[in-house]
Amino acid sequence: DAKTTQPNSMESNEEEPVHLPCNHSTISGTDYIHWYRQLPSQGPEYVIHGLTSNVNNRMASLAIAEDRKSSTLILHRATLRDAAVYYCILLYSGGSNYKLTFGKGTLLTVNP
Amino acid sequence: SQTIHQWPATLVQPVGSPLSLECTVEGTSNPNLYWYRQAAGRGLQLLFYSIGIGQISSEVPQNLSASRPQDRQFILSSKKLLLSDSGFYLCAWAPAGTGANVLTFGAGSRLTVL
Repeated sequence: DAKTTQPNSMESNEEEPVHLPCNHSTISGTDYIHWYRQLPSQGPEYVIHGLTSNVNNRMASLAIAEDRKSSTLILHRATLRDAAVYYCILLYSGGSNYKLTFGKGTLLTVNP
Repeated sequence: SQTIHQWPATLVQPVGSPLSLECTVEGTSNPNLYWYRQAAGRGLQLLFYSIGIGQISSEVPQNLSASRPQDRQFILSSKKLLLSDSGFYLCAWAPAGTGANVLTFGAGSRLTVL
């Protein structure tokens, strides 16, 4: 299984941009990069995903390195509600790898 | 639209008692279904996943079992709970197929074993 590596924790100030990194050096050409976040006492929620090109949605942006061995989740203006654990995982598009495992993620603290 | 329901939301059980957590998905067919556990202050641990009725894959040998009696129903069980079974249990589903498909989680069931 392709693995991801994320920093254990990061800190940001409110209304400042946040760049959350993820390394996935063993990614295969058909793996999608997904980001989820988990607020306290809740189940994880989907944030964004991509394959090769950078992606934007109302929650965040995803910047994918040209070699796809790393990616960065960008929160353009952090709010206190963005304080959560952020998970980067790889989903295989070949259809036969159904096992979806999460790493420890990055705990984001947002200071007022 | 698709929805996922998980219950009960909270339960407190004595050691040695049985357990049954239920998860159902609406608005889709043949989903991939997952059970995760999160111990206090820890990450998500994949327990079981299923790609179809009666097809269960176990990731961690333990005191728990899972069943999928219907296409959109996933049940987590135990015959005798241990203290170490305490945690936050999450059910999730994803459409079968490509890696572009999004994983959707239920609200979770918080289990305390005393």
